[in-house]
Amino acid sequence: DSGVTQTPKHLITATGQRVTLRCSPRSGDLSVYWYQQSLDQGLQFLIQYYNGEERAKGNILERFSAQQFPDLHSELNLSSLELGDSALYFCASSGGELFFGEGSRLTVL
Amino acid sequence: GNSVTQMEGPVTLSEEAFLTINCTYTATGYPSLFWYVQYPGEGLQLLLKATKADDKGSNKGFEATYRKETTSFHLEKGSVQVSDSAVYFCALSPPFSASKIIFGSGTRLSIRP
Repeated sequence: DSGVTQTPKHLITATGQRVTLRCSPRSGDLSVYWYQQSLDQGLQFLIQYYNGEERAKGNILERFSAQQFPDLHSELNLSSLELGDSALYFCASSGGELFFGEGSRLTVL
Repeated sequence: GNSVTQMEGPVTLSEEAFLTINCTYTATGYPSLFWYVQYPGEGLQLLLKATKADDKGSNKGFEATYRKETTSFHLEKGSVQVSDSAVYFCALSPPFSASKIIFGSGTRLSIRP
């Protein structure tokens, strides 16, 4: 158990819809990272937050957004979903090295 | 820029075989190097790491040595088990910059009983 909690574990939705993925970091970790893992593109860094502030941005689409709340949990919002957004979305927190949650598997039909 | 290249999979071995998964990197300075493992249905877990040249990381029978002269960090295990079947990711991060960690494309390992 990494101590990073992600919900939901599985999500099935339709194209054009919007979903929110939630992440609770390990106790005491201030940084949260979001990654997308798809079969054809491997592990892609999306965005990092540190203590509520955006710290780094990777290959995140404009249809996607994220935020980190005062209690340090984070949410990743995916809108206008397309078939190609189907993937595993991982959250990780860092106190020096990365600890990953078990991921949220999104299927867009 | 920094990058990581690891051998493509899938790699299929018989139980008790010797394993090597190659990883080479390009980086300025002295990055930290990592191997992560992803078991089926789970997130990535740190398997081992090395933070300076000639360091050897080890865990669960796996080893990797930070070779600055060949810019490599190959993963090895002397005798694999079925339970080692997973995807293995090589990664690097600049010193003191976990946020800039870069992952390789992953190597799927399957072990036959």
